[in-house]
Amino acid sequence: GESVGLHLPTLSVQEGDNSIINCAYSNSASDYFIWYKQESGKGPQFIIDIRSNMDKRQGQRVTVLLNKTVKHLSLQIAATQPGDSAVYFCAENIGGGTYKYIFGTGTRLKVLA
Amino acid sequence: GAVVSQHPSWVICKSGTSVKIECRSLDFQATTMFWYRQFPKQSLMLMATSNEGSKATYEQGVEKDKFLINHASLTLSTLTVTSAHPEDSSFYICSARGREGYTFGSGTRLTVV
Repeated sequence: GESVGLHLPTLSVQEGDNSIINCAYSNSASDYFIWYKQESGKGPQFIIDIRSNMDKRQGQRVTVLLNKTVKHLSLQIAATQPGDSAVYFCAENIGGGTYKYIFGTGTRLKVLA
Repeated sequence: GAVVSQHPSWVICKSGTSVKIECRSLDFQATTMFWYRQFPKQSLMLMATSNEGSKATYEQGVEKDKFLINHASLTLSTLTVTSAHPEDSSFYICSARGREGYTFGSGTRLTVV
């Protein structure tokens, strides 16, 4: 039968407010990180990436912060819109010349009108 | 931008039958493709890395005889779930590595009855 899945943590944000989604990664050797957005029934979409030699990167309405000391990533979304409602995953590339990505558990973002 | 087409998007099959899922990079060549599995409300779990012209590399715990991967060309990788059982029901997603980074397919929802 179907596996019993973990319930994703949910972040509820009022439309127009800023959202902060957090992710703890596992491997201190990881050298590249990506945030993905996944809408229901669809594959993940790239949002923004950051290399381990950076601690901040900004895109359009999104900012990723990397804290290597505590192995923590965050995704900040400015002026959250209803279309931002989705599940957000961080993914780490474990380095060593491999192209493997390990995905975090994900956070569901709900934008309240 | 880079587009990855995954087909079919949804398939229902009888227990014991095999199902083939295709992943195509439409406008770029992908020497490496990845296959993920996602249970409801869970993150993406990497199943295997598909390398054009060579054998796939499977993650620990993934049965290579159960999940057959073929990457016969630079634009096509296939995943065949052999002798499917209800516990194989899941959302399967491929991704391909191109010049612009990693692009995901739209996913295939497999339901085994």
